[in-house]
Amino acid sequence: GQQVMQIPQYQHVQEGEDFTTYCNSSTTLSNIQWYKQRPGGHPVFLIQLVKSGEVKKQKRLTFQFGEAKKNSSLHITATQTTDVGTYFCAGVMMDSSYKLIFGSGTRLLVRP
Amino acid sequence: GAGVSQTPSNKVTEKGKYVELRCDPISGHTALYWYRQSLGQGPEFLIYFQGTGAADDSGLPNDRFFAVRPEGSVSTLKIQRTERGDSAVYLCASSLGLSGRGDTQYFGPGTRLTVL
Repeated sequence: GQQVMQIPQYQHVQEGEDFTTYCNSSTTLSNIQWYKQRPGGHPVFLIQLVKSGEVKKQKRLTFQFGEAKKNSSLHITATQTTDVGTYFCAGVMMDSSYKLIFGSGTRLLVRP
Repeated sequence: GAGVSQTPSNKVTEKGKYVELRCDPISGHTALYWYRQSLGQGPEFLIYFQGTGAADDSGLPNDRFFAVRPEGSVSTLKIQRTERGDSAVYLCASSLGLSGRGDTQYFGPGTRLTVL
């Protein structure tokens, strides 16, 4: 079936270091969305990428969508303790406008 | 304004029992979704409502699972003859229901179901 793979599973960084998580789909996506889930919390929408090769920035966060619309990445510059949580990518397939296929997430831990 | 709310926040039940989980979406949102999240995994799609009708129930794992949204607002996820494997966090999300891309889904806090 349709799958969205995400790596790494965990990342433990020193505060101030950068962090990147990668997402790869087995099929071409209509769009990809990123969510953050704090420990004990629920997924919170961060951003949606729609266009091939699109790059969007939110302060220290940079999101990219691959040219083939099958992969994406989230990069955080100079991590802070407030960045702790699990980051999920969620792909929307070409034949659906609503069904999110989530990756397994990357759990980010930040040492102060 | 108020976000998506879900009740109960925690539910402990015994194997074989029936449970109902409730979702109250954001006011004005016509689309409602149920997901299931197991420990260490991303949310898994269960069902999507547009208004009162289930537009896509392809994610429901078997016929023990059923969901309704009779008035196009509150939704109830019903699980019959619960099994230990049903233990998970059940998340509800809602969105404006815009056609095409760009319809952000807002998640509720979830109901943690534990089947003993």
